[in-house]
This record gives sequence, C-alpha cells and structure tokens, in this order.
Amino acid sequence: DTEVTQTPKHLVMGMTNKKSLKCEQHMGHRAMYWYKQKAKKPPELMFVYSYEKLSINESVPSRFSPECPNSSLLNLHLHALQPEDSALYLCASSPGTAAGNYEQYFGPGTRLTVT
Amino acid sequence: QQQVKQSPQSLIVQKGGISIINCAYENTAFDYFPWYQQFPGKGPALLIAIRPDVSEKKEGRFTISFNKSAKQFSLHIMDSQPGDSATYFCAASIGNFGNEKLTFGTGTRLTIIP
Repeated sequence: DTEVTQTPKHLVMGMTNKKSLKCEQHMGHRAMYWYKQKAKKPPELMFVYSYEKLSINESVPSRFSPECPNSSLLNLHLHALQPEDSALYLCASSPGTAAGNYEQYFGPGTRLTVT
Repeated sequence: QQQVKQSPQSLIVQKGGISIINCAYENTAFDYFPWYQQFPGKGPALLIAIRPDVSEKKEGRFTISFNKSAKQFSLHIMDSQPGDSATYFCAASIGNFGNEKLTFGTGTRLTIIP
C-alpha cells in the first residue's frame, strides 16, 4: 500500500482566517514533504521533514507553518494568506535515503482558494 | 545546475502509437530519476524510476532510457491509450539522508487521440 491521504480535499479561506491542512501515511516512511503546485506547473518543494525534524525550508513565507506531530502525520498551518497562495497543496512521503529508497509518493492534494 | 529540462511541452499521439518524452539534466550528482503521471485535480503518481547504473528499465508499456554520458533520459509509452492522456513530469534527485529534493521538469501534456 502506497497511500498518502490528505484532508480536506478543498478549502476556501479568507485572508484573515487560520486553517490547517493534514496529511497522513501509514507506510512507515521517515521523510515527509509539502509541495505547492500552481496550474500547469510542476510541484514546488516547500518543506521536508526527516525523522520528524524539519530538514528543509525552501524560504517559505512565515504565513505557512509546518508541523510534524509524529512519524505518520504532517500538518500545514495557514494564517493570513494572500490570493496568490491559491494552489494545489501536495503532501508526499518516502522511506528516506537511510532505507536505501527515496521514491516519493504523493497524496491527492488539497485545492486551496484564498478569497 | 539544478535544472531539469523537459520536452516537448505538449504531445499528441494516435492511439496505439509510441509516445516519447525527453529530459536533460546538468548536475552529475543526481542519482535517481523518476517519472510521474498526473491527471487533472489529482496528485502526481510515481510511474517508473531509474538509477544511473542502468541504461534502460521497462515496466509494462512504460520504458525509461537513460544516457549517462549525454545526461539525458526519456520515457517511452508503447501502444499509447486514451487513458494515458495526462501530464507527465520527469524529475531528478540526490539521495541526501532525509534531505532529498526532487527537481522537476516543466511537464509534458500528452493527449492520445483515437
């Protein structure tokens, strides 16, 4: 089973709202990722968690705040977003290089619209 | 140095034909090259991947050809079907103990016509 689940599927929020995106995997993967994807563009890496520690932050604005409560869960907290932040937010996981396998498996994404 | 260049941007192939998508990279430290298939509104799905010590890998109708000296790799879809119509992304990464970053190509929109 290579399933990564994400909730919600769709989210509409105002610029003053606070919301969270959730991601879950039960494959025992030790690396988890957040990507942002605009229409007709490839995914852009935002954050990488390795063994529940933040290992990469691709200079993402502080209005995006990641959290990894345990090895199966990854959250992305959103606050004071801008309309240009509207995109498909993708979560991915991989076993990690330490396991000799860094195939990344993506979830279905959350379609975020900021009004 | 981190770029992966992908071509063509869009491709129309007749049903039953061969679809070919090409990618080129500069960074010789890349050691993992996956291809992803993405349908509208869905997340990318890992299709097939190759390491640089292998020149070709085949899984069903999908084949990756890898040319290390030319720093190029390509995806071949044999007997293309309408259900293959999707956007395809090549990617490359470096195994870096939890810091793996996938560098994606710009994507190819493939349309298979009857």
